[in-house]
Amino acid sequence: EDKVVQSPLSLVVHEGDTVTLNCSYEVTNFRSLLWYKQEKKAPTFLFMLTSSGIEKKSGRLSSILDKKELFSILNITATQTGDSAIYLCAVEGLNQGGKLIFGQGTELSVKP
Amino acid sequence: DAGVIQSPRHEVTEMGQEVTLRCKPISGHDYLFWYRQTMMRGLELLIYFNNNVPIDDSGMPEDRFSAKMPNASFSTLKIQPSEPRDSAVYFCASRPRQGINTEAFFGQGTRLTVV
Repeated sequence: EDKVVQSPLSLVVHEGDTVTLNCSYEVTNFRSLLWYKQEKKAPTFLFMLTSSGIEKKSGRLSSILDKKELFSILNITATQTGDSAIYLCAVEGLNQGGKLIFGQGTELSVKP
Repeated sequence: DAGVIQSPRHEVTEMGQEVTLRCKPISGHDYLFWYRQTMMRGLELLIYFNNNVPIDDSGMPEDRFSAKMPNASFSTLKIQPSEPRDSAVYFCASRPRQGINTEAFFGQGTRLTVV
């Protein structure tokens, strides 16, 4: 059965800290891994990763995928209170009709 | 495009009542997904459609749950009869197609409370 496990489940840091969020997965015939940020309401898309070792970057956020070890990390540098959210990781397998399987999420709280 | 539109945003109902959640996907998207989010179980996939056809409903918890997509611009998720353990946030998401750069777009969710 396809599975996504995120760690830690929750994290409290202070502004300016750097955080690393982890996502490990098991999926039949991996196609892609996606990161989403969820504040009060709908998850919003951050990154899609398909190839090992290629970093995706957007401002202070970056992510990388290791297809051999079946995990991804999401880094946030110089955290701000606006980064407080639940960060969700999802995977998609080939020939699975586009469905995304999500992990439990990591709840990040950034204190001033 | 206004994005994925869900209604109602909040629903409070009594146990045993029928509940219908509605979703309008983004125009032109081939896939529509219904997810349920709770603190305990996170974001669970309930069912998804491709071109209005249900593909995988293995996540639907019980026969009390049913979903339809009569056309490309509308889907419903129905719970009959509702129970307190159905209380959760229900998200609808749509996706243009499979491929390298096709993420899923989520609606704002319906917060369901069954008392």
